[in-house]
Amino acid sequence: GAVVSQHPSRVICKSGTSVKIECRSLDFQATTMFWYRQFPKKSLMLMATSNEGSKATYEQGVEKDKFLINHASLTLSTLTVTSAHPEDSSFYICSARPGGKGNTIYFGEGSWLTVV
Amino acid sequence: AQSVTQPDIHITVSEGASLELRCNYSYGATPYLFWYVQSPGQGLQLLLKYFSGDTLVQGIKGFEAEFKRSQSSFNLRKPSVHWSDAAEYFCAVEGNNDMRFGAGTRLTVKP
Repeated sequence: GAVVSQHPSRVICKSGTSVKIECRSLDFQATTMFWYRQFPKKSLMLMATSNEGSKATYEQGVEKDKFLINHASLTLSTLTVTSAHPEDSSFYICSARPGGKGNTIYFGEGSWLTVV
Repeated sequence: AQSVTQPDIHITVSEGASLELRCNYSYGATPYLFWYVQSPGQGLQLLLKYFSGDTLVQGIKGFEAEFKRSQSSFNLRKPSVHWSDAAEYFCAVEGNNDMRFGAGTRLTVKP
């Protein structure tokens, strides 16, 4: 079946640095990608929706300048956490959808970010 | 925007007992509904989905869900729970350009 790959699966970075998480659709073209953040034992909170070639649509309360999302190609979207702080430590999950609503949405395995 | 409510934060059932996890949604149009399962520290696995047609949907691992428009519900059921079903369960609704999740229900299975 279709696969969405996230990399890295785990990353530790120092406070104040930036870290990039990649989300790739391996065998399909992802028109739309979704980025979520999940705190321990909590639900997935939608951070932003990105459509290939367009600026991402951020959810209310998500800082655009802190969480930079780029969807430059139909198989790759990146989430860059800029000037990371310990409170940014979380589990980040991406998902990808080929086409519009109703097409199957495939989830990545998630990326654990720890900011020390 | 659409929203999903899972009223039960935590449910405990005995192995072999039946299970029902509740999900209520709010959406102005025909909802596209999903149930996912997540084991600790892992990604999401799709159990089943409903777009249209038969309101009783069969999924993997013996799960089923019933869409009831009159009640805005999409409850997940399983006739006989196995210990390996212990996990976090999420209901989700897809909009035109987003997908939102409920708060999740943690299932504990007693021996």
